[in-house]
Amino acid sequence: GAVVSQHPSWVICKSGTSVKIECRSLDFQATTMFWYRQFPKQSLMLMATSNEGSKATYEQGVEKDKFLINHASLTLSTLTVTSAHPEDSSFYICSARDLTSGSREQYFGPGTRLTVT
Amino acid sequence: DAKTTQPTSMDCAEGRAANLPCNHSTISGNEYVYWYRQIHSQGPQYIIHGLKNNETNEMASLIITEDRKSSTLILPHATLRDTAVYYCIVRVPSGTYKYIFGTGTRLKVLA
Repeated sequence: GAVVSQHPSWVICKSGTSVKIECRSLDFQATTMFWYRQFPKQSLMLMATSNEGSKATYEQGVEKDKFLINHASLTLSTLTVTSAHPEDSSFYICSARDLTSGSREQYFGPGTRLTVT
Repeated sequence: DAKTTQPTSMDCAEGRAANLPCNHSTISGNEYVYWYRQIHSQGPQYIIHGLKNNETNEMASLIITEDRKSSTLILPHATLRDTAVYYCIVRVPSGTYKYIFGTGTRLKVLA
C-alpha cells in the first residue's frame, strides 16, 4: 500500500516557539492531505484539509493563524504550530489519498508527538 | 457526513472471532463505510470498506445490513496484535473526501 511519512516523530519545544511538522507521500501524489490532532485517550479530530497549491480549509474552531498549513507540492504538506503553548501538546497525524490509484482509502502517517514545555 | 456510534470497548479471546458493530442510521445512499484501526501511539491503519455488499479481504470481513443502517467488522481469528481502537467511518465518495472519526471501539484480545 501507499506510504505516508511524518517528520519528526516526536518533538519537544519551549512555550512561545514555533514547530514545523512535515507530511510526505512517499510513493504517490496527493493533491489533498488532512491534518488531525489527538489528545490522550481521545479520538482523532480533523483540523484542516490541505490542498496543493491553494489555501487550506480549516475545521470550525481551529485557529488558522496558529496552525499554518502549506501544501507546496504533490508530495509534501507542512503544519506549523506557531507560538506553541503547553495546551498544544498533542499527537498530530496526517493522511493523504492516492488519487491516481483509484483506491478509495486514505493513508495515514505514523504521527508526530509534540510536547510543549 | 453521517455519524457513527460504536460500543466503547470489547474483549475477545485469542483465536476467536471478534465482531465489532457500528450503527450509522443516517447514512446516505452513496456513502461508503470504512473501517480503520489504531494501535497505541501509531497512525490509523486501513482495514476494509464497502458500500452495499459484504466485503472480505486478508484482514477482515465487513457485513453491511440490507438497509445499510449498521455494519459489523469481523476479525475471524483474533490475535493479541489485534488489540487496538477500531473506528467505523462513513464518507461521501466525492468532494474533499474528509473523514470524521467517532469515538471508536477499544478491542482487547485476551490470551
